[in-house]
Amino acid sequence: SQKIEQNSEALNIQEGKTATLTCNYTNYSPAYLQWYRQDPGRGPVFLLLIRENEKEKRKERLKVTFDTTLKQSLFHITASQPADSATYLCARSDTGRRALTFGSGTRLQVQP
Amino acid sequence: DAGVTQSPTHLIKTRGQQVTLRCSPKSGHDTVSWYQQALGQGPQFIFQYYEEEERQRGNFPDRFSGHQFPNYSSELNVNALLLGDSALYLCASSYPGGNQPQHFGDGTRLSIL
Repeated sequence: SQKIEQNSEALNIQEGKTATLTCNYTNYSPAYLQWYRQDPGRGPVFLLLIRENEKEKRKERLKVTFDTTLKQSLFHITASQPADSATYLCARSDTGRRALTFGSGTRLQVQP
Repeated sequence: DAGVTQSPTHLIKTRGQQVTLRCSPKSGHDTVSWYQQALGQGPQFIFQYYEEEERQRGNFPDRFSGHQFPNYSSELNVNALLLGDSALYLCASSYPGGNQPQHFGDGTRLSIL
């Protein structure tokens, strides 16, 4: 079965620094990797999607990379702010299929 | 523009009972997916509905069933509840296709006593 692995340990960084979160997948490359943010007691919120044939995608302070050789995606938040503190979820989806397979998420804490 | 709405927000049931959770998708979306999220875990896919039919199903027993109505809203039914069914149940809507971002509701917190 396809798996998504994220670092289960919380990531603590200082305000203004760049946060980097890792997502590793098993078996074949997914057609798409998606990143979501989840706040306590809320549903996940879509942030970015990157396709298998894309190396990098950016949106404001967010950047996602996709390395099919390493079977890994990195999610960066530059100039991090305390408001970025949340759990970030990585999910894979495959061409022609609609289900998302999520990792367990990484909790980010940005200290002021 | 209303997003995905779910009801109820919280529910307490006892073992063996049955429960129905409801979901209204975001305006313009016709595909509804249901996920179960245990504490500290990522969401796990239960099933997806499109054109009033179950299109894909995750690794969940037949106790979990669903329905989609002509207005695209959906229900999730769980029979013979077990303690392990305690979780946050999330509904997500999207346009069809594997590359579509999913829009999630804030879920129904189900507690089984």
